Amino acid sequence: GQSLEQPSEVTAVEGAIVQINCTYQTSGFYGLSWYQQHDGGAPTFLSYNGLDGLEETGRFSSFLSRSDSYGYLLLQELQMKDSASYFCAVRGAGSARQLTFGSGTQLTVLP
Amino acid sequence: DGGITQSPKYLFRKEGQNVTLSCEQNLNHDAMYWYRQDPGQGLRLIYYSQIVNDFQKGDIAEGYSVSREKKESFPLTVTSAQKNPTAFYLCASSIKMADISNQPQHFGDGTRLSIL
Repeated sequence: GQSLEQPSEVTAVEGAIVQINCTYQTSGFYGLSWYQQHDGGAPTFLSYNGLDGLEETGRFSSFLSRSDSYGYLLLQELQMKDSASYFCAVRGAGSARQLTFGSGTQLTVLP
Repeated sequence: DGGITQSPKYLFRKEGQNVTLSCEQNLNHDAMYWYRQDPGQGLRLIYYSQIVNDFQKGDIAEGYSVSREKKESFPLTVTSAQKNPTAFYLCASSIKMADISNQPQHFGDGTRLSIL
């Protein structure tokens, strides 16, 4: 089976940098994704890492180390609108390589 | 604009009643999914479909049923056998599924189901 661990809550101030970690255990691995969900809304895709290293998309970056079964999402220049839940998700070894989501990290950005 | 439409936004179920949640997409995606989200939790996969007329159970399929008669539609029925149906239900789609490349999922706005 698959399991993912990420912190339940993170708090930071506007303009700061925050890192949300994700460790996973999976039989087979086809990439780590990150999704953002504002309260009661639709999750939206943020980033994907299929190989080791850093992927950068504007203020957001995501990192993967397959040997450590570890990844993180880095959010820079935090804005109030970044307050949301962030989920890591792995594509595993099932024949359909379906996503398994972590429980999410609630990020609160303070003024 | 292309997207995924879920309806209704809120739904109430009586004891012993089956209810059906609608999900329609106009993204021309082959794969569709249903997830359940409980407060403060992640998304758990109920059912998925890789192609028309085919669907597979996810991790928590008991008490649910689906159909995939058209590419753009993937309705979910919450049956009376599902004893704890109160949750937020999210439908998603992606271009295809069983591929090693990234296949980001696009989500609808969800249906919030409650018991009366």
